[in-house]
Amino acid sequence: EIVMTQSPATLSVSPGERVTLSCRASQSVGSKLNWYQQKPGQAPRLLIYGASTRATGIPARFSGSGSGTDFTLTVSSLQSEDFAVYYCQQFNNWPRTFGQGTKVEIK
Amino acid sequence: EVQLVESGGGLVQPGRSLTLSCTVSGFTVGDYYMTWVRQVPGKGLEWVGVIRNKATGGTTEYAASVKDRFTISRDDSKSIAYLQINSLKTDDTALYYCTKENWGRFEDWGQGTLVAVSS
Repeated sequence: EIVMTQSPATLSVSPGERVTLSCRASQSVGSKLNWYQQKPGQAPRLLIYGASTRATGIPARFSGSGSGTDFTLTVSSLQSEDFAVYYCQQFNNWPRTFGQGTKVEIK
Repeated sequence: EVQLVESGGGLVQPGRSLTLSCTVSGFTVGDYYMTWVRQVPGKGLEWVGVIRNKATGGTTEYAASVKDRFTISRDDSKSIAYLQINSLKTDDTALYYCTKENWGRFEDWGQGTLVAVSS
């Protein structure tokens, strides 16, 4: 199975800062990579699909890039509501697999 | 409005079986793959398995960790997807989510149903 590795595990940032989260696949997944946001007590929410397309209703401060094995989720200016855990997920192969998550916390 | 509501969770003894349901509304469930994802409290997301829509065969895929014990099925006439779990283990303790899958992305999620396996 494809192993998804996210880094860092935790990111401490101040509101307004630019944030970059990384996701690496153990083999190429092309552009078949999604990003999700999960807040405490809530289900995950789709942010980015196909590596770079924002899901419906997702603010423009969220952007995704990458292809092959290396992907990035960028939040251009972190808002208070963006403190959460972020997961990447590949859909190039079965089984679908998630990264272990990156927690973005308040500095 | 798209809604997915999981039910059927609870406290179960090891070795027993349990069937979770995912009742959907706001979309035609028959058009979509339905996926189950689980999450141990405080931990990450684990993909469990999927059932394809009838148009693509209605077949299933499972994570290796659950393949011999979990069965996903669907009843499109009732707008329900099911996850049957046999021979429950303590490691199966988790919040189980169902999701609507659209071209590989999990667009909509339920709020989950908690399964606790303990003697």
